[in-house]
Amino acid sequence: QVQLQESGPGLVKPSGTLSLTCAVSGGFINSSHWWTWVRQPPGKGLEWIGEIYHSGSTNYNPSLQSRATISIGKSMAQFSLKLTSVTAADTAVYYCARNEGPVQQLDYWGQGTLVTVSS
Amino acid sequence: DIQVTQSPSSLSASVGDRVTITCRASQTIADYLNWYQHKPGKAPKVLIYAVSFLQSGVPSRFSGTGSGTDFTLTISSLQPEDFATYYCQQSYSTPHTFGQGTKLEIK
Repeated sequence: QVQLQESGPGLVKPSGTLSLTCAVSGGFINSSHWWTWVRQPPGKGLEWIGEIYHSGSTNYNPSLQSRATISIGKSMAQFSLKLTSVTAADTAVYYCARNEGPVQQLDYWGQGTLVTVSS
Repeated sequence: DIQVTQSPSSLSASVGDRVTITCRASQTIADYLNWYQHKPGKAPKVLIYAVSFLQSGVPSRFSGTGSGTDFTLTISSLQPEDFATYYCQQSYSTPHTFGQGTKLEIK
Protein backbone atom coordinates (compact mmCIF):
# COMPACT_ATOMS: atom_id res chain seq x y z
CA GLN A 1 0.00 0.00 0.00
CA VAL A 2 1.51 3.27 -1.15
CA GLN A 3 1.49 6.07 1.41
CA LEU A 4 2.42 9.71 0.94
CA GLN A 5 3.10 12.23 3.70
CA GLU A 6 3.73 15.95 3.28
CA SER A 7 5.98 17.87 5.65
CA GLY A 8 7.38 21.35 5.92
CA PRO A 9 6.95 24.70 7.68
CA GLY A 10 3.38 25.72 8.34
CA LEU A 11 4.19 29.42 8.25
CA VAL A 12 6.15 31.30 5.60
CA LYS A 13 6.79 35.03 5.42
CA PRO A 14 5.66 37.06 2.41
CA SER A 15 8.28 37.18 -0.35
CA GLY A 16 9.89 34.07 1.13
CA THR A 17 10.15 30.53 -0.24
CA LEU A 18 7.71 27.76 0.57
CA SER A 19 9.43 24.36 0.80
CA LEU A 20 7.55 21.09 1.21
CA THR A 21 8.57 17.46 1.02
CA CYS A 22 6.45 14.43 0.21
CA ALA A 23 7.73 11.17 1.67
CA VAL A 24 6.71 8.10 -0.32
CA SER A 25 6.48 4.70 1.35
CA GLY A 26 5.25 1.36 0.05
CA GLY A 27 6.41 2.26 -3.43
CA PHE A 28 9.25 3.78 -5.39
CA ILE A 29 9.52 7.12 -7.10
CA ASN A 30 11.57 5.47 -9.84
CA SER A 31 8.58 3.36 -10.85
CA SER A 32 6.59 4.27 -13.96
CA HIS A 33 4.57 7.03 -12.32
CA TRP A 34 4.44 10.79 -12.36
CA TRP A 35 4.19 12.51 -8.97
CA THR A 36 2.05 15.59 -8.48
CA TRP A 37 1.48 18.58 -6.21
CA VAL A 38 -2.03 20.04 -5.79
CA ARG A 39 -3.18 22.83 -3.49
CA GLN A 40 -6.47 24.16 -2.11
CA PRO A 41 -6.66 27.75 -0.83
CA PRO A 42 -9.13 28.28 2.02
CA GLY A 43 -12.70 28.22 0.74
CA LYS A 44 -11.61 27.53 -2.84
CA GLY A 45 -11.21 24.58 -5.16
CA LEU A 46 -8.31 22.33 -6.09
CA GLU A 47 -5.44 23.75 -8.13
CA TRP A 48 -2.93 21.58 -9.99
CA ILE A 49 0.60 22.86 -9.33
CA GLY A 50 2.84 20.51 -11.27
CA GLU A 51 4.30 17.04 -11.63
CA ILE A 52 7.60 15.20 -11.92
CA TYR A 53 8.75 11.89 -13.40
CA HIS A 54 11.64 9.88 -11.97
CA SER A 55 13.79 10.95 -14.90
CA GLY A 56 13.47 14.50 -13.65
CA SER A 57 11.05 15.66 -16.34
CA THR A 58 8.60 18.20 -15.00
CA ASN A 59 5.44 20.05 -15.97
CA TYR A 60 4.15 23.15 -14.16
CA ASN A 61 1.03 25.25 -14.07
CA PRO A 62 1.79 28.46 -16.00
CA SER A 63 -0.42 30.37 -13.54
CA LEU A 64 2.44 30.09 -11.03
CA GLN A 65 4.62 32.17 -13.34
CA SER A 66 7.73 30.02 -13.01
CA ARG A 67 7.80 30.30 -9.20
CA ALA A 68 7.44 26.55 -8.64
CA THR A 69 10.17 23.92 -8.74
CA ILE A 70 9.55 20.21 -8.16
CA SER A 71 12.47 17.87 -7.56
CA ILE A 72 13.18 14.31 -6.46
CA GLY A 73 15.35 13.53 -3.45
CA LYS A 74 18.53 11.52 -3.87
CA SER A 75 17.05 8.66 -1.86
CA MET A 76 14.27 8.35 -4.47
CA ALA A 77 11.89 8.07 -1.53
CA GLN A 78 10.69 11.67 -1.57
CA PHE A 79 9.96 14.56 -3.83
CA SER A 80 9.76 18.24 -3.04
CA LEU A 81 8.07 21.49 -3.96
CA LYS A 82 9.62 24.91 -3.74
CA LEU A 83 7.54 28.01 -4.39
CA THR A 84 9.34 31.34 -4.40
CA SER A 85 8.18 34.91 -3.83
CA VAL A 86 5.09 33.79 -1.92
CA THR A 87 2.18 36.04 -1.07
CA ALA A 88 -0.98 35.58 0.98
CA ALA A 89 -2.57 34.11 -2.16
CA ASP A 90 -0.29 31.09 -1.75
CA THR A 91 -1.86 30.22 1.61
CA ALA A 92 -3.39 26.79 1.06
CA VAL A 93 -3.49 23.15 1.99
CA TYR A 94 -0.84 21.48 -0.15
CA TYR A 95 -1.25 17.86 -1.24
CA CYS A 96 1.13 15.48 -2.93
CA ALA A 97 -0.25 12.65 -5.02
CA ARG A 98 0.70 9.81 -7.36
CA ASN A 99 -0.42 9.62 -10.99
CA GLU A 100 -1.60 6.27 -12.25
CA GLY A 101 -2.35 4.68 -15.59
CA PRO A 102 -2.75 5.98 -19.11
CA VAL A 103 -5.08 8.79 -18.07
CA GLN A 104 -2.93 9.82 -15.11
CA GLN A 105 -5.61 9.89 -12.44
CA LEU A 106 -4.36 10.74 -8.94
CA ASP A 107 -4.85 7.48 -7.08
CA TYR A 108 -2.84 7.99 -3.89
CA TRP A 109 -2.75 11.25 -1.95
CA GLY A 110 -1.10 12.61 1.16
CA GLN A 111 -3.30 13.99 3.92
CA GLY A 112 -2.30 17.53 3.08
CA THR A 113 -0.45 20.21 4.99
CA LEU A 114 -1.60 23.77 5.61
CA VAL A 115 0.87 26.48 4.72
CA THR A 116 0.05 30.02 5.78
CA VAL A 117 1.85 33.01 4.29
CA SER A 118 1.94 35.77 6.86
CA SER A 119 4.40 38.08 8.54
CA ASP B 1 -4.83 25.78 -20.96
CA ILE B 2 -7.95 23.63 -21.09
CA GLN B 3 -10.72 25.12 -18.98
CA VAL B 4 -13.07 22.78 -17.15
CA THR B 5 -16.48 24.03 -16.08
CA GLN B 6 -18.60 22.12 -13.58
CA SER B 7 -22.27 22.58 -12.83
CA PRO B 8 -23.97 23.09 -10.55
CA SER B 9 -21.59 24.69 -8.06
CA SER B 10 -23.78 23.46 -5.23
CA LEU B 11 -26.58 20.98 -4.92
CA SER B 12 -29.00 20.11 -2.15
CA ALA B 13 -30.39 16.57 -2.13
CA SER B 14 -31.81 13.89 0.13
CA VAL B 15 -30.66 10.39 0.98
CA GLY B 16 -31.89 8.08 -1.75
CA ASP B 17 -31.96 10.75 -4.46
CA ARG B 18 -30.35 10.35 -7.87
CA VAL B 19 -27.86 13.13 -8.53
CA THR B 20 -26.03 14.22 -11.67
CA ILE B 21 -23.08 16.60 -11.91
CA THR B 22 -21.82 17.82 -15.25
CA CYS B 23 -18.40 18.85 -16.47
CA ARG B 24 -17.59 20.61 -19.74
CA ALA B 25 -14.10 21.01 -21.16
CA SER B 26 -13.13 23.93 -23.38
CA GLN B 27 -11.79 21.52 -26.02
CA THR B 28 -12.01 17.83 -26.71
CA ILE B 29 -10.16 15.74 -24.12
CA ALA B 30 -10.95 12.24 -25.41
CA ASP B 31 -11.38 10.05 -22.32
CA TYR B 32 -8.95 11.95 -20.08
CA LEU B 33 -11.56 12.89 -17.50
CA ASN B 34 -11.49 11.91 -13.84
CA TRP B 35 -13.82 12.52 -10.90
CA TYR B 36 -12.81 13.03 -7.25
CA GLN B 37 -14.68 13.21 -3.97
CA HIS B 38 -13.32 15.56 -1.31
CA LYS B 39 -14.41 15.76 2.30
CA PRO B 40 -13.20 18.46 4.74
CA GLY B 41 -9.92 17.59 6.41
CA LYS B 42 -9.38 14.56 4.18
CA ALA B 43 -7.40 13.87 1.05
CA PRO B 44 -9.37 13.87 -2.22
CA LYS B 45 -10.33 10.41 -3.41
CA VAL B 46 -10.56 9.30 -7.03
CA LEU B 47 -13.96 7.80 -7.85
CA ILE B 48 -13.99 7.50 -11.62
CA TYR B 49 -11.12 7.61 -14.12
CA ALA B 50 -11.07 7.67 -17.90
CA VAL B 51 -14.70 8.91 -17.96
CA SER B 52 -16.38 5.73 -16.82
CA PHE B 53 -14.02 3.36 -15.01
CA LEU B 54 -14.79 2.85 -11.35
CA GLN B 55 -11.76 3.06 -9.07
CA SER B 56 -11.24 -0.07 -7.00
CA GLY B 57 -13.30 -0.02 -3.82
CA VAL B 58 -15.72 2.67 -4.99
CA PRO B 59 -19.41 1.72 -4.69
CA SER B 60 -21.27 0.95 -7.89
CA ARG B 61 -23.83 3.69 -7.23
CA PHE B 62 -21.21 6.03 -8.73
CA SER B 63 -20.99 6.11 -12.51
CA GLY B 64 -19.55 8.33 -15.20
CA THR B 65 -20.42 8.95 -18.83
CA GLY B 66 -19.52 11.31 -21.62
CA SER B 67 -17.17 11.92 -24.48
CA GLY B 68 -15.34 14.73 -26.22
CA THR B 69 -16.12 17.78 -24.13
CA ASP B 70 -19.18 16.87 -22.06
CA PHE B 71 -19.17 14.51 -19.11
CA THR B 72 -21.39 13.53 -16.19
CA LEU B 73 -21.02 11.95 -12.78
CA THR B 74 -24.12 10.22 -11.47
CA ILE B 75 -24.82 8.95 -7.99
CA SER B 76 -27.78 6.60 -8.34
CA SER B 77 -28.99 6.61 -4.73
CA LEU B 78 -27.36 9.06 -2.35
CA GLN B 79 -26.02 7.70 0.90
CA PRO B 80 -25.17 9.80 3.98
CA GLU B 81 -21.45 9.36 3.36
CA ASP B 82 -21.74 10.85 -0.14
CA PHE B 83 -22.24 14.42 1.06
CA ALA B 84 -18.99 16.05 0.00
CA THR B 85 -17.50 18.23 -2.73
CA TYR B 86 -16.93 16.65 -6.14
CA TYR B 87 -14.35 17.72 -8.70
CA CYS B 88 -13.76 16.73 -12.28
CA GLN B 89 -10.24 16.92 -13.69
CA GLN B 90 -8.93 16.77 -17.22
CA SER B 91 -5.61 14.99 -17.65
CA TYR B 92 -5.43 15.36 -21.44
CA SER B 93 -2.81 18.10 -21.33
CA THR B 94 -0.91 20.00 -18.66
CA PRO B 95 -1.86 21.83 -16.56
CA HIS B 96 -4.24 19.08 -15.51
CA THR B 97 -7.02 21.46 -14.54
CA PHE B 98 -9.79 20.76 -12.07
CA GLY B 99 -13.35 21.99 -12.30
CA GLN B 100 -14.39 24.49 -9.67
CA GLY B 101 -16.19 21.83 -7.63
CA THR B 102 -19.76 20.88 -6.76
CA LYS B 103 -20.71 20.94 -3.10
CA LEU B 104 -23.33 18.31 -2.39
CA GLU B 105 -25.33 19.13 0.72
CA ILE B 106 -28.07 17.43 2.65
CA LYS B 107 -31.56 18.80 2.00
